Amino acid sequence: DVKVTQSSRYLVKRTGEKVFLECVQDMDHENMFWYRQDPGLGLRLIYFSYDVKMKEKGDIPEGYSVSREKKERFSLILESASTNQTSMYLCASSLAGATYNSPLHFGNGTRLTVT
Amino acid sequence: AQSVTQLGSHVSVSEGALVLLRCNYSSSVPPYLFWYVQYPNQGLQLLLKYTTGATLVKGINGFEAEFKKSETSFHLTKPSAHMSDAAEYFCAVSDRTNAGKSTFGDGTTLTVKP
Repeated sequence: DVKVTQSSRYLVKRTGEKVFLECVQDMDHENMFWYRQDPGLGLRLIYFSYDVKMKEKGDIPEGYSVSREKKERFSLILESASTNQTSMYLCASSLAGATYNSPLHFGNGTRLTVT
Repeated sequence: AQSVTQLGSHVSVSEGALVLLRCNYSSSVPPYLFWYVQYPNQGLQLLLKYTTGATLVKGINGFEAEFKKSETSFHLTKPSAHMSDAAEYFCAVSDRTNAGKSTFGDGTTLTVKP
């Protein structure tokens, strides 16, 4: 089974701090994604990556950046955390393919609280 | 652009009753459709997917969904609800014009009453 591991289940940070959320997958997937999940809003894509050192903005990239230095690892960075970034963050991975029909494999999420 | 609408943010059924969770999609090209389930304090896991071929798709835990192109729908059903089905369910769509990114609906919380 694919395993996607997010380094922290719960994080509490202060406003203005730089925050790193780490995600590692063990199935050699090319694609990796960061979503945030808020009640009533479903999942919204922040950033995604199709390969090492490649990144693409999703629907809500403002206030975030990402890093993918190794194929298995995709990091989400909050440059200066704000209270409106309090949320559940979900990392996912999938196989690349020309038909784009590969399902996503999710980690268990990181619940971030910014105070 | 693609989009997903899940009708009903909360659905409540009795144990043993039919489960029906509704999903309508919009896509300018043939879609790939997915249902995911999220149990409390966990990530999402795939229930089933439609890519091409048979329009009735069977998934895990007794769930199935039918792709209806004319109605742009992909509703999720299960003949008999079990207490363990209580969770949040997400419908998602992707297609080859959107580079593999999935767009998710807002989710439907299923409650199963004893």
